[in-house]
Parts: sequence; C-alpha cells; structure tokens
Amino acid sequence: EVQLVESGGGLVQPGGSLRLSCAASGFTFSSYWMSWVRQAPGKGLEWVANIKEDGSERYYVDSVKGRFTISRDNAKNSLYLQMDSLRADDTAVYYCAREVRVYKCQDFWGQGTLVTVSS
Amino acid sequence: DIQMTQSPSSLSASVGDRVTITCQASQDINTYLNWYQQKPGKAPNLLIYDASNLKTGVPSRFSGSGSGTDFTFTISSLQPEDIATYYCQQYDNLPPFTFGQGTELEIK
Repeated sequence: EVQLVESGGGLVQPGGSLRLSCAASGFTFSSYWMSWVRQAPGKGLEWVANIKEDGSERYYVDSVKGRFTISRDNAKNSLYLQMDSLRADDTAVYYCAREVRVYKCQDFWGQGTLVTVSS
Repeated sequence: DIQMTQSPSSLSASVGDRVTITCQASQDINTYLNWYQQKPGKAPNLLIYDASNLKTGVPSRFSGSGSGTDFTFTISSLQPEDIATYYCQQYDNLPPFTFGQGTELEIK
C-alpha cells in the first residue's frame, strides 16, 4: 500500500525557516518524481515544487523560487522541503504527492502538514 | 504560466442528478488535464487523469472529456458521498502545474 506521511509543520515567525519531511513507503521511491502542493486556509490548491527521480531536476512556482528548496534522499525513501524567509502568505497545509510522469498526474497524496507563519 | 478557469465555483444538486463542471485552459494543453476530489479536512484524491481516464477503483459514474483548451467533468448520478470540492489541474510540459479555482459541490 502506498503511503506518504508528512511531518515538520508548525508555527514559525515571519522570516524564519522550517524543514518539511515526507516519508514514503509501499512503492519504489527512487522510480518516481515527487511534488509538494500547498493549500492556504479556506483556499484552493497550489503546486509548489517537484523533483526528478534522481534529484537532477527541480522546479518551483515563482512565489517560492530562491526561498524554498526541494530535495530527496532515496536511501531513506524521503522527500524534503526546506523553507526559508517564510512569509505570512506561506501559511498553508503542505502535501507531498507522488507523480506519475507517463500519465502526467499526481496519483497518491499524503495527509498534509500545517505550516503557520505568524508573529 | 498556464491559467485554468474552472466553473462554476459552487454547485447545488439533488441526489441522482447529473452534474457537470467545466475547466478552460489559457492555452492548448492537449489532454494533459486531471480531476481531483477533496473532501473536507482530507487530502485531494485523483479521480481522472489525461482528461478522460478513470483511476483504478474510482466509480464509473465519474467521467471526463475534452482536449486542447476545453474540458468537462461529469458525475452521471450524484450520490451523497460525492459532496466535496473538485479541482482540475493542467499537466502540460513545464511546471507550474496549475489548478483551477475549485468547485464546491453540495446536496440540495
């Protein structure tokens, strides 16, 4: 059974940093692109970033470029999102998701972790 | 970036009704269009990928169609458990893979 479990969310002050983790199981993690998607309270979904199977390609939405870094450790079956220079509008539930490139979709999602940026 | 315009933003229908949601892309995205269902407090769940392909295990009352810039998502006979917000998402060649604004579906 495919499982994705996010952790690392919490309350952080503006300008601060946070590192999210996503533990994957039930599939060959190193064979899939992985994504982060976020959802601000009461709002819609926003694709944030993704990373290729071997980590050699990474893409970001413009609003997080230069502040967020997506990475992965295939030996640990884990995906990460390092978030620096956090702003109030980064407040959201952050989901990790598995991508199926051949079908161009995100077929499994974690339960999400809440990040709150507030003083 | 490709913009996705989804309508309506909310919809009220009765059990057994046929429900239709539309999504329009700002440029040609071939059939690279997905539909997700999100129930309150839960993660999104993929229903349809590549415009018209049903994910394994998803009930056949859900369907999708379209190509290019115009897409349609249909529930043939609305069930109480279908109450959720539905999102389209384009997955053209380059990120960001933008979502529509969402359609909140409620039972009349």
